[in-house]
Amino acid sequence: AQTVTQSQPEMSVQEAETVTLSCTYDTSENNYYLFWYKQPPSRQMILVIRQEAYKQQNATENRFSVNFQKAAKSFSLKISDSQLGDTAMYFCAFMKRPGRGGATNKLIFGTGTLLAVQP
Amino acid sequence: DGGITQSPKYLFRKEGQNVTLSCEQNLNHDAMYWYRQDPGQGLRLIYYSQIVNDFQKGDIAEGYSVSREKKESFPLTVTSAQKNPTAFYLCASSAPFRGLGTEAFFGQGTRLTVV
Repeated sequence: AQTVTQSQPEMSVQEAETVTLSCTYDTSENNYYLFWYKQPPSRQMILVIRQEAYKQQNATENRFSVNFQKAAKSFSLKISDSQLGDTAMYFCAFMKRPGRGGATNKLIFGTGTLLAVQP
Repeated sequence: DGGITQSPKYLFRKEGQNVTLSCEQNLNHDAMYWYRQDPGQGLRLIYYSQIVNDFQKGDIAEGYSVSREKKESFPLTVTSAQKNPTAFYLCASSAPFRGLGTEAFFGQGTRLTVV
């Protein structure tokens, strides 16, 4: 069974600084996807960034980037130039690549990291 | 606009009653999911469905039931057998992989409180 671990329950960063959130996962699969989701106080889940395991290049979305280490099963999120609006709970998630015919698989989440951006 | 709609936003239930949470999507997604969120425990999967008339138990299915009679709809019933139903419930949908992108889209959630 796959598991996702986020070992930092809470983190704090000053506005405009950089912060890194950690995520590790355990799987015997070779083809899978990893995601970071953001849940602000409104509780609406928002996709931040996605990484395909077969791609060696780290994904980047504006101020958000990941450090994907497949052998170490590590998937950290770096937020550059932190903004007050980045204050939220951040969840790391794993999904095995869907099989033939497009049948989907479970999306498994970590316990989350609460990030507070201080002015 | 395409999206996922959960209703109601807040729901109160008396002990011993069954309640049904609604989830509707117009994204033409095949897969739908129900998650429960409790403080400090992240999102735990209750049930998921890959296609109409088919669904699988997640990690915490006991005390819950679902149906998938239409592609657009995936209602969740919290039965009286669920011993601790007070929680925040999130519904999500995704499209099976046919290229890039298989992320899940989420509704705004339902806060269920047992009174």
